[in-house]
Amino acid sequence: EPEVTQTPSHQVTQMGQEVILRCVPISNHLYFYWYRQILGQKVEFLVSFYNNEISEKSEIFDDQFSVERPDGSNFTLKIRSTKLEDSAMYFCASSFRDPGGSDTQYFGPGTRLTVL
Amino acid sequence: GDSVTQMEGPVTLSEEAFLTINCTYTATGYPSLFWYVQYPGEGLQLLLKATKADDKGSNKGFEATYRKETTSFHLEKGSVQVSDSAVYFCALIHGSGNTGKLIFGQGTTLQVKP
Repeated sequence: EPEVTQTPSHQVTQMGQEVILRCVPISNHLYFYWYRQILGQKVEFLVSFYNNEISEKSEIFDDQFSVERPDGSNFTLKIRSTKLEDSAMYFCASSFRDPGGSDTQYFGPGTRLTVL
Repeated sequence: GDSVTQMEGPVTLSEEAFLTINCTYTATGYPSLFWYVQYPGEGLQLLLKATKADDKGSNKGFEATYRKETTSFHLEKGSVQVSDSAVYFCALIHGSGNTGKLIFGQGTTLQVKP
């Protein structure tokens, strides 16, 4: 069964460094998402992406964050200058059709980001 | 704004016990409702969903009914197994024409003991 993959599974970085989290969505999907979960807290929406542009972003997704689909398969989340509070599990998800209805979002296993 | 509230965990049950995890939501319009499950070390998997009032979603023995009058989507299973031990998330997508933003509850940890 097709699945969303994410790399790396765990990333440790120093505060102020740039990190890139990578995702390979399911191949025929058109809508892509990033969510994060700070330890012990809710899963929070960061951004949705369709047709090579951001569809919606949350208040968390400030100028330090960016997303890109550099080729036909990868979807990346970049954090330009990491802060301690960026430490979290980051989940990528993808879906096929209009997500405004009931279309299912398929999630990757997550990347645990630790900022020291 | 839209929100989802789940019962506090952890929930600890013996094998074959009946499970209920409560979920209520606040949203304008007619959201679609979901239960996702996260097994240890894995990502979020869709367990079941319902897209309109009175719909019942079901999968792997789990059920939940979309109750508009009580704004609830409680998860139930008649007989839990050790393998059901996981974190369960209730979530909604608000209506049509939006961009797919899932709003999650805080998650409920279920531990099933043999």
